Parts: sequence; C-alpha cells; structure tokens
Amino acid sequence: TQLLEQSPQFLSIQEGENLTVYCNSSSVFSSLQWYRQEPGEGPVLLVTVVTGGEVKKLKRLTFQFGDARKDSSLHITAAQPGDTGLYLCAGVVAGGTSYGKLTFGQGTILTVHP
Amino acid sequence: DAGITQSPRHKVTETGTPVTLRCHQTENHRYMYWYRQDPGHGLRLIHYSYGVKDTDKGEVSDGYSVSRSKTEDFLLTLESATSSQTSVYFCAISEYRNQPQHFGDGTRLSIL
Repeated sequence: TQLLEQSPQFLSIQEGENLTVYCNSSSVFSSLQWYRQEPGEGPVLLVTVVTGGEVKKLKRLTFQFGDARKDSSLHITAAQPGDTGLYLCAGVVAGGTSYGKLTFGQGTILTVHP
Repeated sequence: DAGITQSPRHKVTETGTPVTLRCHQTENHRYMYWYRQDPGHGLRLIHYSYGVKDTDKGEVSDGYSVSRSKTEDFLLTLESATSSQTSVYFCAISEYRNQPQHFGDGTRLSIL
C-alpha cells in the first residue's frame, strides 16, 4: 500500500491547457516536497511546503499544502511542451510508526503536446 | 548542480553475479541514500547512510548491502543479482535527514 497516493498517473494535454496533480494520504506530513524528473536524469527539487494551507508559486506552477497537512496539489497554468516530465511528490511523515520517514508518491507522467 | 556521480550509468549482467554500484559526492553531505525506481512504484528507499560506516535499511533492503568507508563514497552491492532487481537505481544526498535531496542521474541495471 502506497503511503502517498498520487493522481493521475498519466496526463496528456495540449499546450496552453491547465492541469492539476494531486498527492493524498491518510497520514500527516511535517513537510512535502515536489520534484520533476526528465528521462535519463534524476529528480530535481521544485519546492518544499511545510505549513498547512501554504501556497507557493514558481512561475506558472502553484503548489498547495492542505490545511491538515495530509495532501498537496500542483497546478500548472498554460502548460508548455517544456513542462513534459515525471512529477513526484514526497512527504516526511509527522508521526506514528513511520515517523520521520520520507516517502514518495508513484509519480505523474505529464506529456504536453505542441 | 550538486556534485553527484553515479557509476556505471548502464550495466547488463547475468543472474547470480555480484554487482556493485558507486555513488560519489563532492558536497560533503552527511546523508546518502540509494533508491530504486520502477514503473508504478515511484522511488523506494533501499538503504541510507548517516555517516562513515553508519548505515541503515530502507523499505526494500532484501538482497542489497551497502558500505560507506569515506564521506564521499556510498556503494550499493547486489551479492547475487536476480531478475527482480532489474531497475533504475538512484543515489541521493542531503545535508540533514529527509531534507530535500539532490539526486544523481541514475544507473540503469538489467539482469538477464
């Protein structure tokens, strides 16, 4: 069972469209990270969110951490072909038997067609 | 970019042979991690190290061992490779535990 459920797993859209990727869990996280990975390379950190309700923006990307710190979303406005890649969320578990554990979601493969 | 080098980048080997993957960092970070990445599973932690000679298991450690004799090098060994260990392996580093990690470019390992 995945501690962090990421959805959708695949997303294929046209240039200019908006999209949202979700990362959900029943666990509380002390922080949540978003990474982007291109083929043949390792993941690269985009942002870290640490406060419930926090919103961070990175150009056309908006990241939100849920109020209860159990979920997060990544919204891309006016997607471009350069946004194509694998997006991964990763959270540090705040309590319970998995305390302190960093766990990754399964990833969302985004393809933006020109 | 963080200075992380993984070697080899690609390897094909046969079932039952030993395999060692190397991760080298130039950032002097205390924490180093080995992950495997498989479709539908994201990144899964194999082992991690929190200092020279200090290592601990991750969630998928069976069949793998690690060693860290120097701050800059973290080795992952498959003592007797199996086909289920065919995967892409990533090394990562961080200054503090579970802080945002910097990843290498991966090693694609195929076990036939």
